[in-house]
Amino acid sequence: DQQVKQNSPSLSVQEGRISILNCDYTNSMFDYFLWYKKYPAEGPTFLISISSIKDKNEDGRFTVFLNKSAKHLSLHIVPSQPGDSAVYFCAASRGAQKLVFGQGTRLTINP
Amino acid sequence: SQTIHQWPATLVQPVGSPLSLECTVEGTSNPNLYWYRQAAGRGLQLLFYSVGIGQISSEVPQNLSASRPQDRQFILSSKKLLLSDSGFYLCALGGEVVNTEAFFGQGTRLTVV
Repeated sequence: DQQVKQNSPSLSVQEGRISILNCDYTNSMFDYFLWYKKYPAEGPTFLISISSIKDKNEDGRFTVFLNKSAKHLSLHIVPSQPGDSAVYFCAASRGAQKLVFGQGTRLTINP
Repeated sequence: SQTIHQWPATLVQPVGSPLSLECTVEGTSNPNLYWYRQAAGRGLQLLFYSVGIGQISSEVPQNLSASRPQDRQFILSSKKLLLSDSGFYLCALGGEVVNTEAFFGQGTRLTVV
């Protein structure tokens, strides 16, 4: 039972444009959502998060949007840079419970 | 600050051999600790999590086991490795308060041959 889904395994975006990564979840009890970035052969690093009481959180070039009615969140990166090329995982949790991760989306920024 | 150490970084083991991956954390006490696996072409799958010494919860049936002999030590083991155990194993440290991010170790690339 995949509670958190990232339906796009890969995404290619031109440098300077906006990258939009999507994530859907099925458990309406999730109240905290996170995005992680992962380079090959390294552990994921935390990028940005959002609580279920908000619908938007912004940190520099990164913005996460949450649509609770649609059980959907997205990560916007603008402008996209070559160093943004990585695998992005969305994750969700309920209270202090463990994080549930999506399958990941490989983002490639083309020069 | 919290730090997490995981070793070895890479490991090649023959089928049927035992496995022991160690994870230790610093800068925190009574942490929630997790083992994840990223298999080729798949996302991060939670294998085990522990909320304290000797307390292990298994998420999926598998050929692996975990132990937490000390507060800041989490060990992933197998008595006999299978080819399907190959993957990238990650230890993670849960946030100190509710709804904070987890911190990941650098991971171990395990190849079973």
